[in-house]
Amino acid sequence: QKEVEQNSGPLSVPEGAIASLNCTYSDRGSQSFFWYRQYSGKSPELIMSIYSNGDKEDGRFTAQLNKASQYVSLLIRDSQPSDSATYLCAVNPQSSASKIIFGSGTRLSIRP
Amino acid sequence: ETGVTQTPRHLVMGMTNKKSLKCEQHLGHNAMYWYKQSAKKPLELMFVYNFKEQTENNSVPSRFSPECPNSSHLFLHLHTLQPEDSALYLCASSQGVTGGTDTQYFGPGTRLTVL
Repeated sequence: QKEVEQNSGPLSVPEGAIASLNCTYSDRGSQSFFWYRQYSGKSPELIMSIYSNGDKEDGRFTAQLNKASQYVSLLIRDSQPSDSATYLCAVNPQSSASKIIFGSGTRLSIRP
Repeated sequence: ETGVTQTPRHLVMGMTNKKSLKCEQHLGHNAMYWYKQSAKKPLELMFVYNFKEQTENNSVPSRFSPECPNSSHLFLHLHTLQPEDSALYLCASSQGVTGGTDTQYFGPGTRLTVL
């Protein structure tokens, strides 16, 4: 079982709709969870971090965490073409505070 | 700009060459990282330095040799690489605190091609 799993996509969403990206992780003791966005040919940039169960909203982005189900998701409301990118889920395992395990990413495409 | 710079941005080298990648962070962080990103693969952690001490070596071949002279600078020395080492090499930094809340900030990466 992979430590952090994501559907590789591509996920195609019409402009203006809600894009939903999902991630599961294997280390039940993980405490910190991150969503990074990576445009083609660029480096990852942090979008959201979440540490406790529930929802965390920042503008058009909402991160959702369910530790019991070992599941974290990212919702993007009012999707724009500029949201087209690969979204990386990352988890900070219990074993190391400075180590982050990345998923392989979900490629999101927003169609006009 | 994230406050993490990397040079060079592109590098082409032969298998017998020796080269070095440089990373510098201007964020006052204490932890620095090297990652490898190959096509269709997740980001692979290579090395972690906390307060200049190496705390993680993710079974990286010895042809990759990291150096961290201070908390702001990180090098990756390369020698006798293989074509399969061609990838995007990313440097990142974080505050380096414990507690599992360490957000990492990435540099722009070095695109390495080994001929």
